[in-house]
Amino acid sequence: AQSVTQLGSHVSVSEGALVLLRCNYSSSVPPYLFWYVQYPNQGLQLLLKYTSAATLVKGINGFEAEFKKSETSFHLTKPSAHMSDAAEYFCAVSEKGDDKIIFGKGTRLHILP
Amino acid sequence: GAVVSQHPSWVICKSGTSVKIECRSLDFQATTMFWYRQFPKQSLMLMATSNEGSKATYEQGVEKDKFLINHASLTLSTLTVTSAHPEDSSFYICSASDRGQETQYFGPGTRLLVL
Repeated sequence: AQSVTQLGSHVSVSEGALVLLRCNYSSSVPPYLFWYVQYPNQGLQLLLKYTSAATLVKGINGFEAEFKKSETSFHLTKPSAHMSDAAEYFCAVSEKGDDKIIFGKGTRLHILP
Repeated sequence: GAVVSQHPSWVICKSGTSVKIECRSLDFQATTMFWYRQFPKQSLMLMATSNEGSKATYEQGVEKDKFLINHASLTLSTLTVTSAHPEDSSFYICSASDRGQETQYFGPGTRLLVL
């Protein structure tokens, strides 16, 4: 069975500071990994996905994530936080890119002025 | 990119009534669609997998007689919440798989409030 653990239900960073959202996964097969963002009262937007190509994945809005098999991690980073980055972020795992997706509990990112 | 729509975007109904939510893939054929539910301040939980022309596969704990899923065509899946109760109030999100792109696309969600 696959699962995802997101460390920290809330993360606060100052505007302009580094954003780091942690995600660890469990999977018996090579996983597909995703990061989604959800703004209040809206649906999901795909930030980036890992599909066993490059281990460093670049996404939209300046976000990137690195797949580390030895650590079973897929942490999300952004060098400089912007106020518009305040949202809920979900890490997710799937066996295939078009298969059902298992979501983590989410991390609420707060940006401090 | 591919677009998935949901209708309605929000609905308020009385307890005991049934509500139908539509999920459409607008520019690709989706042999598989998924239905998720999200309670306030919580994550998305998969309810069921819907395959075109066959019965849906429900996750453990999801009542198939309460949440009726129909996937009548390659571009449309519907979720009907039967005899809705206040505890069914939630945000329902569908997604559709584009096997050619090996990617899943999410709809904007439907917010259901049962009074």
